[in-house]
Amino acid sequence: SQQGEEDPQALSIQEGENATMNCSYKTSINNLQWYRQNSGRGLVHLILIRSNEREKHSGRLRVTLDTSKKSSSLLITASRAADTASYFCAQGNNAGNMLTFGGGTRLMVKP
Amino acid sequence: DAGVTQSPTHLIKTRGQHVTLRCSPISGHKSVSWYQQVLGQGPQFIFQYYEKEERGRGNFPDRFSARQFPNYSSELNVNALLLGDSALYLCASSGGLSGRTNEKLFFGSGTQLSVL
Repeated sequence: SQQGEEDPQALSIQEGENATMNCSYKTSINNLQWYRQNSGRGLVHLILIRSNEREKHSGRLRVTLDTSKKSSSLLITASRAADTASYFCAQGNNAGNMLTFGGGTRLMVKP
Repeated sequence: DAGVTQSPTHLIKTRGQHVTLRCSPISGHKSVSWYQQVLGQGPQFIFQYYEKEERGRGNFPDRFSARQFPNYSSELNVNALLLGDSALYLCASSGGLSGRTNEKLFFGSGTQLSVL
């Protein structure tokens, strides 16, 4: 079973628009990460935010974390067609030996 | 430098058979993790190995086993295959201190297993 839920499950936007994806989780975490997956192949790490951080930026990516609400959001600004992919949040456990992934958001960016 | 490599890329088996999937981590990474991803879902943790020792096991039956070799490569074995074992099997390596794999993971492209 998966610990987290992602919202929305699918998102379709025009190139240049911003995309926001949300993630909720159930238990305490050490960190929260976002990964990207193209066409059902390997996942690529995008960004990691630790449990004592509230916001982090990397290029066009902005991640927020609210541990009181057990939720996180990923914002992709000025989206491009090449951003079309599935995006997964993953919680790093305190034991340090695993990630628990959400169900993912399928993003389509139309040119 | 090569990334995480997995073989084979695709595999077709029939129910009841056995399968072995292989993974080579990024050079210098001592930890390997295995994840199962069923179509339309997120990856689920199966095993983590560090320095040839099992450090974590997910909620999978005993038909699933794994091992890590002295060169840090790894094998995932699944016995008595069921239709529900059809999935993308992902291997990930990590250079985390003391084998911690709850931080950034580097994934291979996966092995797509189909059980008929």
